[in-house]
Amino acid sequence: DVKVTQSSRYLVKRTGEKVFLECVQDMDHENMFWYRQDPGLGLRLIYFSYDVKMKEKGDIPEGYSVSREKKERFSLILESASTNQTSMYLCASTGRLAGRTYEQYFGPGTRLTVT
Amino acid sequence: GENVEQHPSTLSVQEGDSAVIKCTYSDSASNYFPWYKQELGKGPQLIIDIRSNVGEKKDQRIAVTLNKTAKHFSLHITETQPEDSAVYFCAAPVGTYSGGGADGLTFGKGTHLIIQP
Repeated sequence: DVKVTQSSRYLVKRTGEKVFLECVQDMDHENMFWYRQDPGLGLRLIYFSYDVKMKEKGDIPEGYSVSREKKERFSLILESASTNQTSMYLCASTGRLAGRTYEQYFGPGTRLTVT
Repeated sequence: GENVEQHPSTLSVQEGDSAVIKCTYSDSASNYFPWYKQELGKGPQLIIDIRSNVGEKKDQRIAVTLNKTAKHFSLHITETQPEDSAVYFCAAPVGTYSGGGADGLTFGKGTHLIIQP
């Protein structure tokens, strides 16, 4: 079974703090993704990475950055947390075969509260 | 980019009845349409998907239909059971980025399916 793990299930941070959310997958997947989930808005893509040290902006990258130093690990960074970044953050990964899109496997999510 | 609309936002059905959730998409080049189920406290999990070269796909009580001309696809759940209660999301590929990697997904806003005993 594919396993995607996220470093914390719940996190409470103060405004202005630097926040790191970590994601690890164990299936040697090339692609990894960060989404945020908000009630009534569904899931929105923040950033994704298709290889080590490579990253692409998604639909809502403002206020976030990412790091992928190893294939199995993808980090989401909030440089200076703000209250509007209070949300559920979901990490996902998928393998890649040229020209095809495959199932994304999601982690359990990190519920971040910024006070 | 792709835009995915999902309806209804909440659906309540009697146990044993059928449930249908509908989605429309905007990019006629999209070729992959997954459906995810999210139970309380968990991440979304793929339950069925369809590619644009077929019109319908079934897996036991679940089916997905695709109408490429109208750019809409639907999830059908028959003989609903209490364990079907969850939030369901449809999705379509965001689009091909310059890096050439696999696509991220654009999700609908979700449907909260409630199965009444």
